[in-house]
Amino acid sequence: QKEVEQNSGPLSVPEGAIASLNCTYSDRVSQSFFWYRQYSGKSPELIMSIYSNGDKEDGRFTAQLNKASQYVSLLIRDSQPSDSATYLCAVNMGAYSGAGSYQLTFGKGTKLSVIP
Amino acid sequence: DVKVTQSSRYLVKRTGEKVFLECVQDMDHENMFWYRQDPGLGLRLIYFSYDVKMKEKGDIPEGYSVSREKKERFSLILESASTNQTSMYLCASRGHQSHEQFFGPGTRLTVL
Repeated sequence: QKEVEQNSGPLSVPEGAIASLNCTYSDRVSQSFFWYRQYSGKSPELIMSIYSNGDKEDGRFTAQLNKASQYVSLLIRDSQPSDSATYLCAVNMGAYSGAGSYQLTFGKGTKLSVIP
Repeated sequence: DVKVTQSSRYLVKRTGEKVFLECVQDMDHENMFWYRQDPGLGLRLIYFSYDVKMKEKGDIPEGYSVSREKKERFSLILESASTNQTSMYLCASRGHQSHEQFFGPGTRLTVL
């Protein structure tokens, strides 16, 4: 069973702090990793993609990937109340052929609350 | 910008009714997906399509069917709606070269 695991939270951080969201995955051959943000009652919105080991920065967001540890994380610097949402980790866990290559496996999400 | 639209934001149907949920994308994407999202269960893939008239079952296809007659449109059909199909239904699309999926706004379906 291919799995993506996230701490469900809620994770509460004060405004201006760094929020750290973590995700582990079970399939060692996974190549593509994504973070989605989902506000209550809304659909998921893609905020970060990462494909190589290391860090990728986009504004206040940094994604970190460690394939050896099968671990991907999202850091949000200078957290704002508007960052309060559920963050979904998604992984492409299929091989590069067959039906599995089209799919993403999603974690159940971590709920983040940024306290003013 | 990728634009994925869904036919309804909210829908209320009766048990036994046939329900059509439509999804349209404007980015010429080859691949389209239908998920349902329930509290505590996360996103679960119902069906996906990698080309016109092609479909593949996801993790929970029972009670659903799909249709893809045109590249931009992917329909989810509940042949005989049941109360356990009350859920948020999300459509997504992606291009051939990338695994990034882009979601529509979702349809919250209630079956009474």
